[in-house]
Amino acid sequence: DVKVTQSSRYLVKRTGEKVFLECVQDMDHENMFWYRQDPGLGLRLIYFSYDVKMKEKGDIPEGYSVSREKKERFSLILESASTNQTSMYLCASRTVGDTDTQYFGPGTRLTVL
Amino acid sequence: QKEVEQNSGPLSVPEGAIASLNCTYSDRVSQSFFWYRQYSGKSPELIMSIYSNGDKEDGRFTAQLNKASQYVSLLIRDSQPSDSATYLCAVRTGVDRGSTLGRLYFGRGTQLTVWP
Repeated sequence: DVKVTQSSRYLVKRTGEKVFLECVQDMDHENMFWYRQDPGLGLRLIYFSYDVKMKEKGDIPEGYSVSREKKERFSLILESASTNQTSMYLCASRTVGDTDTQYFGPGTRLTVL
Repeated sequence: QKEVEQNSGPLSVPEGAIASLNCTYSDRVSQSFFWYRQYSGKSPELIMSIYSNGDKEDGRFTAQLNKASQYVSLLIRDSQPSDSATYLCAVRTGVDRGSTLGRLYFGRGTQLTVWP
């Protein structure tokens, strides 16, 4: 079974802190994605990566950065957390040539105080 | 901006009824279409994918695609309380070539409640 794991289920940080969200997949997938999900706004793509050290901005990249140094790991970084970044963060991975299935991790609920 | 619109809901149906979920998309070159189910507090899981016009059936679920009308739907027959969840429509447009990776565009979801 494909497994996508995220470092924390719940996280509480203070305004201005630097926050790292980690995502690891165990299926050698090329593509990885970071979304945030807010009530009424649905899933919005922050960043994605199509291969190691490659990254592309999604629809809402402002205030975020990413790192993909190894194929299995994709990190989302909030350089200076703000209250409007309080959200559910979902990581997903997908292999090229697969039947287009994106596998989601369990999510990290981040609260910024 | 590629848009995916879903009937806003929430949708409430009695157990045993047919639940109909609808989705329209703006990009005519869209190639692949997906329905994800998301239970409260959980992450989305893929339940159906469809790539060509017509119907695709999987158990109690039927996905219908009409590319000319830019419309995709999901029918759930014999709805069960366990089907109560938010259903997300997703559309993939591009091809897999480096930075032109075919990312998914999601609708905002339709919340379905099946009451006993």
